[in-house]
Amino acid sequence: GENVEQHPSTLSVQEGDSAVIKCTYSDSASNYFPWYKQELGKRPQLIIDIRSNVGEKKDQRIAVTLNKTAKHFSLHITETQPEDSAVYFCAASGDTGNQFYFGTGTSLTVIP
Amino acid sequence: EAQVTQNPRYLITVTGKKLTVTCSQNMNHEYMSWYRQDPGLGLRQIYYSMNVEVTDKGDVPEGYKVSRKEKRNFPLILESPSPNQTSLYFCASSFTGRNEQFFGPGTRLTVL
Repeated sequence: GENVEQHPSTLSVQEGDSAVIKCTYSDSASNYFPWYKQELGKRPQLIIDIRSNVGEKKDQRIAVTLNKTAKHFSLHITETQPEDSAVYFCAASGDTGNQFYFGTGTSLTVIP
Repeated sequence: EAQVTQNPRYLITVTGKKLTVTCSQNMNHEYMSWYRQDPGLGLRQIYYSMNVEVTDKGDVPEGYKVSRKEKRNFPLILESPSPNQTSLYFCASSFTGRNEQFFGPGTRLTVL
């Protein structure tokens, strides 16, 4: 099956700086890559996703890039704010698109 | 209001006592899934369902059962719970496997 690795496990940035979280995957047939944000004590919520036919997607301060050749994808958050503090999970859909494999999460702290 | 609900939210039980965690969605989603979340391990998929009467194993199905008799409901059954099933469980649903998954509020299960 698919194996998704996520780095770093913790990340601290100053407010206003950028944050980058990286994930690698093993199954070249995976074709859907969502990112979820989980605030403390809350449920995960989708913040952005990308499909394998696209190299980059942006939504305001958040962007995701995908390198299919290298089998890695990254989350970029610019102009970070304290409310960006949360745990972020990447995921890959596997070859059928029905089974999901999540990374182990990155705890992001934005220091005011 | 569009939502995914789970019950119970908290449960403490003993080894071997059968239990069911219910999950229901009101968005007419075809895809539903169960995950467990453990510290340092991220979210791991237990079972998923593509539609009524169609279910399949995720990454960690051992010790769990599911059924999908109605589109809106996807209960998780632990026939003989063991302490290693102590975890935070999330149900999720989406239109298809490659769309945004909406998560329920979570069920915190403790097996003594």
